[in-house]
Amino acid sequence: DAGITQSPRHKVTETGTPVTLRCHQTENHRYMYWYRQDPGHGLRLIHYSYGVKDTDKGEVSDGYSVSRSKTEDFLLTLESATSSQTSVYFCAITTSGARESTQYFGPGTRLTVL
Amino acid sequence: DAKTTQPPSMDCAEGRAANLPCNHSTISGNEYVYWYRQIHSQGPQYIIHGLKNNETNEMASLIITEDRKSSTLILPHATLRDTAVYYCIVSGGTGNQFYFGTGTSLTVIP
Repeated sequence: DAGITQSPRHKVTETGTPVTLRCHQTENHRYMYWYRQDPGHGLRLIHYSYGVKDTDKGEVSDGYSVSRSKTEDFLLTLESATSSQTSVYFCAITTSGARESTQYFGPGTRLTVL
Repeated sequence: DAKTTQPPSMDCAEGRAANLPCNHSTISGNEYVYWYRQIHSQGPQYIIHGLKNNETNEMASLIITEDRKSSTLILPHATLRDTAVYYCIVSGGTGNQFYFGTGTSLTVIP
């Protein structure tokens, strides 16, 4: 599964606290992504990275920041968690050919904000 | 917004072929069609992708119409473990975003 791990796998926190989720990959892929999934919905892109220190916003980036200081780690931070950020968060990487970009997903982190 | 339209749910008898349709009428020339599935709350699992030719792998077959405006994912002999939500996605090259819709919830019936 493209060597993707996410930590923690489960977290419960309180409104207003900072939270950082980690995505780690072992295969030196350039592109990494953070998605969130809410009940009854498909995945929605939060942020993505196309290299060390190169990131861009996705569809639902408000309230989130990311950092990528080394190829293998992509961090998602909620500076001040809100109940609306209760969700399951998935990290993904791209294995790409010249024109195609298959994404492979991690196991997910279930975050509950009380 | 998702660029695809899928039926919300389908049933299939165990051992029979499951045919999951997808409409992507606005697909552009450089965009591929990808299929993923998600079982319970696990991460989405890649199944297959294609550009314009039909594709087959050990999991499934992908049939893309000649005008590329629709496709069908075929699971040739559905098992109970194929019960999942199936997502059809169109996307261009490296770095292009994947837009997930709500997918098709496939239930394989014993």
